[in-house]
Amino acid sequence: EVQLVESGGGLIQPGGSLRLSCAASGFSISSNYMNWVRQAPGKGPQWVSVLYSNGETYYADSVKGRFTISRDNSKNTMYLQLNSLRVDDTAVYYCARGYRAVAEAYWYFDLWGRGTLVTVSS
Amino acid sequence: EIVMTQSLATLSVSPGERATLSCRASQTVRSNLAWYQQKPGQAPRLFIYGASTRATGIPARFSGSGSGTEFTLTISSLQSEDFAVYYCQQYNNWPLTFGGGTKVEIK
Repeated sequence: EVQLVESGGGLIQPGGSLRLSCAASGFSISSNYMNWVRQAPGKGPQWVSVLYSNGETYYADSVKGRFTISRDNSKNTMYLQLNSLRVDDTAVYYCARGYRAVAEAYWYFDLWGRGTLVTVSS
Repeated sequence: EIVMTQSLATLSVSPGERATLSCRASQTVRSNLAWYQQKPGQAPRLFIYGASTRATGIPARFSGSGSGTEFTLTISSLQSEDFAVYYCQQYNNWPLTFGGGTKVEIK
């Protein structure tokens, strides 16, 4: 079955760190545009980061310098290291596979995990 | 950054009726627009891409239209399983951005 399963969320104090995991099955994460998308309570989704098949990484301005995306191909798992966490980082974090058509520069999200909740609070 | 605006936060519709949801982009996104459905406690699910192409398994009662800055998602005859929140997302410009969502609720 093709699926994504996130883990690693929890309650953390401001300034703390957390590592999220996204385990994929049924396809190879190393061949796809793999993203993290977050959704704060009652808000629309917000794109956070992407890891290209060639290893390039990109981040939203709001997390640049604090979050790091990576993967372990042998485990078919993607990670998001969250450092210097702030209250406004509180959200459900989803991993999502991006699909980019040949003629297009960017992508939509054709597969999502169920998400993991990160709550930043003192 | 392109701002995606879904002007209707909530749309109240009776089962069997037609629902029309709108999404506006702050600048052109051509046809690089996707729609997602999200139910409580679940991840968003891709419904429409390329502004008008239904994703795999999406019923024909869902249709998307528009290009440039104005887009519409139409549900021709609402079924009970269609009551949910719908988000639009542009993938024409960086960064990728989503609208704030429209909740379709039972009238």
